[in-house]
Amino acid sequence: AQKVTQAQTEISVVEKEDVTLDCVYETRDTTYYLFWYKQPPSGELVFLIRRNSFDEQNEISGRYSWNFQKSTSSFNFTITASQVVDSAVYFCALHGGYNKLIFGAGTRLAVHP
Amino acid sequence: GAVVSQHPSWVICKSGTSVKIECRSLDFQATTMFWYRQFPKQSLMLMATSNEGSKATYEQGVEKDKFLINHASLTLSTLTVTSAHPEDSSFYICSAESLGHTEAFFGQGTRLTVV
Repeated sequence: AQKVTQAQTEISVVEKEDVTLDCVYETRDTTYYLFWYKQPPSGELVFLIRRNSFDEQNEISGRYSWNFQKSTSSFNFTITASQVVDSAVYFCALHGGYNKLIFGAGTRLAVHP
Repeated sequence: GAVVSQHPSWVICKSGTSVKIECRSLDFQATTMFWYRQFPKQSLMLMATSNEGSKATYEQGVEKDKFLINHASLTLSTLTVTSAHPEDSSFYICSAESLGHTEAFFGQGTRLTVV
């Protein structure tokens, strides 16, 4: 079975704080892809990153960074120096052999001034 | 990046009427399109997968006679909510993939309110 778990339902931080959003996945596939999406209040899904199962290199993009650890089946997302505009719901998702994107429950991030 | 356009972005309809939502891939051929439903403060739940030219595959618990999906061309899929009821009010969002690519591109979503 494929499953994505985002244990943090809501996180509240003050601007400039760093925040890490956790994602743990389950799959029996040897080849799979992991994604992070941002969903602002307007509703559209904003693609943030895709990582394939063979690439465990961490990635940094501006204030965003991702830590992929196959040993613990985790793909965590860190926002450094958070800003109010980062407030949104963030989804982690898994794309495996069934040609489906399986979403986690999402983490609602609120960044306060 | 690739663009997927979903229309309308919001719609209000009366109970018992049908509503059609369109999902278009603007700059690539979408061999597979997906339809999701999202209730407030919940995750996206896959409703069905449609491949161009064939019948859609519905997820367990999704009524195929109520949610009609048509994927007649490589750039267009439609979701028709038939005989809509207030409990069908939700956010519907489509995504599209092209053959051999695992990255799905999402439409802007449609907020349906049935009154």
